[in-house]
Amino acid sequence: DAGVIQSPRHEVTEMGQEVTLRCKPISGHNSLFWYRQTMMRGLELLIYFNNNVPIDDSGMPEDRFSAKMPNASFSTLKIQPSEPRDSAVYFCASSLNRQPGQPQHFGDGTRLSIL
Amino acid sequence: GQSLEQPSEVTAVEGAIVQINCTYQTSGFYGLSWYQQHDGGAPTFLSYNALDGLEETGRFSSFLSRSDSYGYLLLQELQMKDSASYFCSLSGNTGKLIFGQGTTLQVKP
Repeated sequence: DAGVIQSPRHEVTEMGQEVTLRCKPISGHNSLFWYRQTMMRGLELLIYFNNNVPIDDSGMPEDRFSAKMPNASFSTLKIQPSEPRDSAVYFCASSLNRQPGQPQHFGDGTRLSIL
Repeated sequence: GQSLEQPSEVTAVEGAIVQINCTYQTSGFYGLSWYQQHDGGAPTFLSYNALDGLEETGRFSSFLSRSDSYGYLLLQELQMKDSASYFCSLSGNTGKLIFGQGTTLQVKP
């Protein structure tokens, strides 16, 4: 079975540019999570969706960040304009439902470098 | 708020047993989860404790004590492939996870 699929795997761009990260969750999973991982701040939850509806976006750092989930099989995380401090690994994860303890399945991540 | 503390690094030898501790502060949670992450890879789910006590899954076991705000991950018969980072995380009622900073385990021959 296919796992969570993220694209691109790597992205290098100059500050000020728009960056769009993509995620395809596991089929049948109703919850989708976007995380950011850095050495300084660890693994931070940015936003999560349930049944395509954003439930909690309190982790989104600034208005420069936005996320959408237009359907059950696709989500995007957009940064506009990008800044060097946005450089990190961005993970998307999905789980079957919102039940506590439900395992989250992570994609391989997008390694983002903003120059 | 919620916070978790883990040791930053642990070193052990192949074949040994190692325990990775996790203490937390929270006003309420549903359980404690553990994830493994190899260098450059994605986090993968290991275990979940909803109740106090020990949960065993093969060579790995996880423990939770709500009264002590404490949990641990126990790895037995260590193998070189167990070298990775291990994260404890608090699970809320909506499936949301709050992760600790992670413990880097180095297994030596």
